Amino acid sequence: EIVLTQSPGTLSLSPGERATLSCRASQNIRNNYLAWFQQKPGQAPRLLIYGASIRATGIPDRFSGSGSGTDFTLTISRLEPEDFAVFYCQQYGTSLRTFGQGTNVEIK
Amino acid sequence: EVQLVESGGGLVQPGGSLRLSCAASGFTFTSYAMSWVRQTPGKGLEWISSISATGVTTSSADSVKGRFTISRDDSKHTLFLQMNSLRAEDSAVYYCAKDSSAWFEDYFDHWGQGILVTVSS
Repeated sequence: EIVLTQSPGTLSLSPGERATLSCRASQNIRNNYLAWFQQKPGQAPRLLIYGASIRATGIPDRFSGSGSGTDFTLTISRLEPEDFAVFYCQQYGTSLRTFGQGTNVEIK
Repeated sequence: EVQLVESGGGLVQPGGSLRLSCAASGFTFTSYAMSWVRQTPGKGLEWISSISATGVTTSSADSVKGRFTISRDDSKHTLFLQMNSLRAEDSAVYYCAKDSSAWFEDYFDHWGQGILVTVSS
C-alpha cells in the first residue's frame, strides 16, 4: 500500500496569498498518477488536478500541480475566498488507490 | 451534467445489512468503471470497492472483502453496494464515484453527494 503524507496539516493564510501544499508518497507513484481534490464542509470532494499537473475541466488556472516520483505539490497562486477548504491528494498508480490525510487551508 | 445520487443509507445494528444505490445520469454509464469511497473523521477517505465498465471485474479493499459486494445494473444506470456483517467501524459517509475510464485504476472525476451509514446498537 502506498502511504501518502500531506503537509502541513493546517495552513492559515489570507485571501490573495499563495498556498503551497505538499504530498509525499512512501514509494514511487507509477506514471505520476496523482490527483488532488478540494472538499468543502458538507460537500463531496471535487477533482482539481490529475496526472500530477493536469487541471480538470473548469478548474481555474490559479490551481497548479507539480512534482514526480514521490514528491508532489499543489499550488494556489492567489487564494480566493471560495478556495478555503480541505485538500486531499490521491494516488491511482496501483489498484489499491489511497488518499492523503488532507491539508486544511483556513482563513487567517 | 454528470449526476450521481446515493440512497439506502441509515442506521443499522452491528451484524446487519444495508444496500446502497447510486443513480447515475449525464454520461454513458456503460463506458465507465464505478467505485465506492467512504469517509470518516478518523480514517479520512478510503477507497473500498470498484467495478469495471463491463461489470466483469471487481476489486475491493481488504477491510470489506468478503462482506461487501459491488454490482451494477446497466439497464437502470445504477451502481450498488451490498453491505453485510456490518461493524461499528463501517460507520461513515459513503460516496459513489465515477472513474475516468472503463478500468478502475484511474482517477475519480465525479462524486455523489454522499450517504451516511451508521452502525450502532
